[in-house]
Amino acid sequence: GENVEQHPSTLSVQEGDSAVIKCTYSDSASNYFPWYKQELGKRPQLIIDIRSNVGEKKDQRIAVTLNKTAKHFSLHITETQPEDSAVYFCATPIIQGAQKLVFGQGTRLTINP
Amino acid sequence: DVKVTQSSRYLVKRTGEKVFLECVQDMDHENMFWYRQDPGLGLRLIYFSYDVKMKEKGDIPEGYSVSREKKERFSLILESASTNQTSMYLCASRLSSGANVLTFGAGSRLTVL
Repeated sequence: GENVEQHPSTLSVQEGDSAVIKCTYSDSASNYFPWYKQELGKRPQLIIDIRSNVGEKKDQRIAVTLNKTAKHFSLHITETQPEDSAVYFCATPIIQGAQKLVFGQGTRLTINP
Repeated sequence: DVKVTQSSRYLVKRTGEKVFLECVQDMDHENMFWYRQDPGLGLRLIYFSYDVKMKEKGDIPEGYSVSREKKERFSLILESASTNQTSMYLCASRLSSGANVLTFGAGSRLTVL
């Protein structure tokens, strides 16, 4: 079945620096790549997503890039702020049947003031 | 705003007890999911339901069952709780398999003693 590998598992950056989290997937038919953010004690929420017909999507300080040939996609956060501290999950759907989402293992991002 | 409500935020149960985790969504979503969240393992799919009385096993269904008698309610059942089922359980819903954005509940943290 579909396998999603996410790295790193923890990431610590200085406030103002950039953070990059990467996911690789196995199913070349995957066509949708979301990122979810889970703040401490809260529910995961979608922050950005990309479809396979584009290579990059940006929303203010966050961006997602997709390399379909290499089967990986990345989350980029620029000018990091303390409120960016959270656990981030990538995901991709299994195309067969009712399209369930398979999640990566999560990255705990800590922004140091 | 879609609301996904999980009835219990914290539960403590004993080994062998039957446990019910309830999830209700208020936006007429067709698809509902139960995930288990453990550190370093991300979100793993236990079961999902794409319509009333329809269910499919996810990646880790062993020891769990589900019930979807009404569209708005999706219940996760642990027939005989075990200590290795101590975890955070997250319910999620989405409109249909063509709309991949998941809306999560706040989670139910279950401890089995």
